Amino acid sequence: AQSVTQLDSHVSVSEGTPVLLRCNYSSSYSPSLFWYVQHPNKGLQLLLKYTSAATLVKGINGFEAEFKKSETSFHLTKPSAHMSDAAEYFCVVSPRISFGNEKLTFGTGTRLTIIP
Amino acid sequence: EAGVTQFPSHSVIEKGQTVTLRCDPISGHDNLYWYRRVMGKEIKFLLHFVKESKQDESGMPNNRFLAERTGGTYSTLKVQPAELEDSGVYFCASSHRTGGRGEQYFGPGTRLTVT
Repeated sequence: AQSVTQLDSHVSVSEGTPVLLRCNYSSSYSPSLFWYVQHPNKGLQLLLKYTSAATLVKGINGFEAEFKKSETSFHLTKPSAHMSDAAEYFCVVSPRISFGNEKLTFGTGTRLTIIP
Repeated sequence: EAGVTQFPSHSVIEKGQTVTLRCDPISGHDNLYWYRRVMGKEIKFLLHFVKESKQDESGMPNNRFLAERTGGTYSTLKVQPAELEDSGVYFCASSHRTGGRGEQYFGPGTRLTVT
């Protein structure tokens, strides 16, 4: 079984300040972890993914996340927020096993607001 | 390369009616997934096709939902008869590789409103 907990449903930061979106996971298997973003009226876009290589993962638009097995966390960060970062962010887990079990399990989402 | 497309973008139907949602995956992607987000809840898995075969349909809520993928290309998801609780956003995704390592590419979703 696997699950994801996004600890904040809403986060507001001022433009130019750091962003931290928190995610904890639970998985019976060694997981793959992802962050997806959804901008208004757009589809889900992959920001970054962890699949067992480096624990610090860099994604698009300056975002990065660190896989911490001891804390079962995969928090998303960005050093300096931009107005275009306003969106809803989803932490996602998938079991990293062989063929037949690729379904993604989503967190409830964190809506990020950027204050000018 | 064209992305995952879904049609319609928005559908409003009355309770008891039938609706069919369509998903066109990225060309060459054998894996096709349907997910759903109902109001205020998380996005949940519905089912997974590998080519034309249903690999996993454990997330389908009940027998009012029927998914098909004839020929292993596009897929349809039919809801018959629709109920109020079926309202939400239905997402389709596709991927090339198997084993939980392949990135899933999502379409923009179909917003279904049942009145």
